[in-house]
Amino acid sequence: KQEVTQIPAALSVPEGENLVLNCSFTDSAIYNLQWFRQDPGKGLTSLLLIQSSQREQTSGRLNASLDKSSGRSTLYIAASQPGDSATYLCAVRDPGANSKLTFGKGITLSVRP
Amino acid sequence: DAGVIQSPRHEVTEMGQEVTLRCKPISGHDYLFWYRQTMMRGLELLIYFNNNVPIDDSGMPEDRFSAKMPNASFSTLKIQPSEPRDSAVYFCASRQTGGHSSGNTIYFGEGSWLTVV
Repeated sequence: KQEVTQIPAALSVPEGENLVLNCSFTDSAIYNLQWFRQDPGKGLTSLLLIQSSQREQTSGRLNASLDKSSGRSTLYIAASQPGDSATYLCAVRDPGANSKLTFGKGITLSVRP
Repeated sequence: DAGVIQSPRHEVTEMGQEVTLRCKPISGHDYLFWYRQTMMRGLELLIYFNNNVPIDDSGMPEDRFSAKMPNASFSTLKIQPSEPRDSAVYFCASRQTGGHSSGNTIYFGEGSWLTVV
């Protein structure tokens, strides 16, 4: 059974700092991995999706990498801003036509002005 | 597109009452998912449908929970009778089948915040 872990559960950094959020998964046979953002009282918004054949994806100040063999992914946020404060979740999708996503519990990020 | 639409956004009900949560997926999406989110357990998949057919309901916690998808644009999650431990945020999500290059991004609704007292 696939398990996804995100440590630490919470992180507080000063504005402007570059930071890395970690995600690990137990079964390396994945179809893709997705990073989401969740603001308080809101649903999840997809940030980046990395296919199993890819190593990284970039969108603006965000860069996500994937190392399947070690069962790890990182989300890099450059020049963090207070508006980046949110909970960041990663999820992996197993292979198979009807496969589902398994989520980590998320990392709650606070960027201090 | 308006995105995944859920209703009600908030509901407070008494223990023992029936609760019905509703979802309208994004038009053209053939997969629909129901998730439950709590502080203790995070996001848990309850059930999902493909082309209106339930594929995996192994996450449905008890017989008190049931879900239907009568057509491609509507799904319900029902709890009967409700209990305080059912208090959580219930999310509906949808995605579209695609090739390897399409991404298959999943889109979430804003959630239904349920409190059972």
